[in-house]
Amino acid sequence: AAGVIQSPRHLIKEKRETATLKCYPIPRHDTVYWYQQGPGQDPQFLISFYEKMQSDKGSIPDRFSAQQFSDYHSELNMSSLELGDSALYFCASSLPQTFGQGTRLTVV
Amino acid sequence: QKEVEQNSGPLSVPEGAIASLNCTYSDRGSQSFFWYRQYSGKSPELIMFIYSNGDKEDGRFTAQLNKASQYVSLLIRDSQPSDSATYLCAVNRDDYKLSFGAGTTVTVRA
Repeated sequence: AAGVIQSPRHLIKEKRETATLKCYPIPRHDTVYWYQQGPGQDPQFLISFYEKMQSDKGSIPDRFSAQQFSDYHSELNMSSLELGDSALYFCASSLPQTFGQGTRLTVV
Repeated sequence: QKEVEQNSGPLSVPEGAIASLNCTYSDRGSQSFFWYRQYSGKSPELIMFIYSNGDKEDGRFTAQLNKASQYVSLLIRDSQPSDSATYLCAVNRDDYKLSFGAGTTVTVRA
């Protein structure tokens, strides 16, 4: 069965650069959740979308923005990257939440 | 205090034994409860979810929920070395976002 697809799998950026992470939910799933997991930490909720509208917002920095498109894929845009943004970024599809493979972002 | 609390471990069990993982949560409005398994550097993998008080069994895994005590547990029977991972407890309210515990690291000794 098709799962949640994330791209890229790995990303290396320099401080102050921008990054865009993409998430393709399970087909016909209309809800996407974004989580950030720092080293040795549990996943922290960032933001979610339902039917292309933001449905909830968590601990997402103002430097980050996200949107969901008409085909239900979502993109997380991260600007002015900081070293502390280095983490695994996961997106999940509708309940019960199934996670994609994640994007490992390293900021150097 | 975190909304979801777990013993961090590590929990070491011999192969074939039962591993017992515990989780408590603080928000009485929590409605759904999940157990995820996460291998190092990989994404969390959903093992079990439970909504109602009582037990739910799926293969070697049993989830137990007691809403009055705000407690949810996971039993892993006949533990295998491949079960060695971090187990994350997660809960949500009707707003659907997940709140995770810090995870319990399980090591199954061959």
